[in-house]
Amino acid sequence: SQKIEQNSEALNIQEGKTATLTCNYTNYSPAYLQWYRQDPGRGPVFLLLIRENEKEKRKERLKVTFDTTLKQSLFHITASQPADSATYLCALDLSGGYNKLIFGAGTRLAVHP
Amino acid sequence: DTAVSQTPKYLVTQMGNDKSIKCEQNLGHDTMYWYKQDSKKFLKIMFSYNNKELIINETVPNRFSPKSPDKAHLNLHINSLELGDSAVYFCASSPPSLNTGELFFGEGSRLTVL
Repeated sequence: SQKIEQNSEALNIQEGKTATLTCNYTNYSPAYLQWYRQDPGRGPVFLLLIRENEKEKRKERLKVTFDTTLKQSLFHITASQPADSATYLCALDLSGGYNKLIFGAGTRLAVHP
Repeated sequence: DTAVSQTPKYLVTQMGNDKSIKCEQNLGHDTMYWYKQDSKKFLKIMFSYNNKELIINETVPNRFSPKSPDKAHLNLHINSLELGDSAVYFCASSPPSLNTGELFFGEGSRLTVL
C-alpha cells in the first residue's frame, strides 16, 4: 500500500542545534516533494520544493535532501530557534502538473531556549 | 491584503444540515483547491479547479459540491452533514506555471457537526 511516514513523535531540541526531520514514502514515484510549516490554528505555509533529479536544496537556514532510491527526504533546520517550533509537513506531488499533493501527518518540532 | 481568505473560520451545526464555506484568493492564481484535515492531522485533497473547471475530484461523497463562479473563488457546499464531516477545511491556490507550484493556503474553516 502507499504510505508517507513522518516521525510521529514530537522532536525536542535545544536552541542552536540542527533539527532533522524525516519523510519516508513507499509505493509512490513523486516528481516533486515539498515541505510546509503549519502553526496551531493556521494554514500550512510553503517552505521548499525539491525535484526528483535534485539531491539537495537550500534556503537560508533550511536544507532539504531527496533520495529517490531510499524513498526518503530529510529536512534540516540549522541554528534552530524557538520561533522554529511548529509542525512540519512533507508532501509528494504525484500529478505531474496539477499539484495533487499527498501530505504526511507532520512532525511537531519544539525548540527549547 | 489577505491572499487566500475563507469564511467562516468556525462553523458549528447539527447533523443533517446544509452548510457552505466560501473561499477567495487575490493572488491571480488559476488553480484552487479544497483540502480536509482530520483529527489525525492528515491533509487530504478533495477537489481542484483550474480556471473554473474541475480537474481533481477525489473519492469524496457527493454530498460535497464545489462551485467556482470565477477563478478567484471556490466555494464548498456540504449537504446532509454527518458527524464524520467534522474537520478543518482548507482552501488553497497555486500559480499558473505547471509542475512547480507551491500551494498558498487559507487559514482554515473548522467545521463541527453535533
